[in-house]
Amino acid sequence: DTAVSQTPKYLVTQMGNDKSIKCEQNLGHDTMYWYKQDSKKFLKIMFSYNNKELIINETVPNRFSPKSPDKAHLNLHINSLELGDSAVYFCASSQEGFSYEQYFGPGTRLTVT
Amino acid sequence: ELKVEQNPLFLSMQEGKNYTIYCNYSTTSDRLYWYRQDPGKSLESLFVLLSNGAVKQEGRLMASLDTKARLSTLHITAAVHDLSATYFCAAPGGTSYGKLTFGQGTILTVHP
Repeated sequence: DTAVSQTPKYLVTQMGNDKSIKCEQNLGHDTMYWYKQDSKKFLKIMFSYNNKELIINETVPNRFSPKSPDKAHLNLHINSLELGDSAVYFCASSQEGFSYEQYFGPGTRLTVT
Repeated sequence: ELKVEQNPLFLSMQEGKNYTIYCNYSTTSDRLYWYRQDPGKSLESLFVLLSNGAVKQEGRLMASLDTKARLSTLHITAAVHDLSATYFCAAPGGTSYGKLTFGQGTILTVHP
């Protein structure tokens, strides 16, 4: 059973397009996250939702919009894709409370050409 | 703003040798996390250190936390090739609920 799943695994698209990445967790966790990992492997948090409520909204272009239809799902929509958006995007989840470890999904490798 | 720094960033080891990866963080935190990432893969949780003086061991890896020194270490004993991966430490911090700040990662390569 996959704990945190993401689709698609790979996404290749052209500049200016709009795309979405979906994330689902079956761990019963209350909090979900989106991270961006750049080409140097640096990981940075983008957003966090707790029970469908936006908790963390880091300095991210407003072309990125997260949506949480329920606490098991957190999707990421990106408008007007740019070359600099190329990265691996990871979804993660944890129990409520930041003392709990975060479980990461397999990642979505986004390539913008 | 919380900063998390790992040292070294690149580590090439021979099998059978011992080494330590250091993780320093800039603001007070009473917990620290270690993750492992294999090439092209996701992050796997290795250790969760929840108090000052915490020490955890799993196989050839041992992690410790000194909150007063704002330092965590990941010690590798008698390295084997299977340990080759990137290791990240992460600390919670700031006022944002659930926010983890990651170190830059240490790329470990174990040679025969």
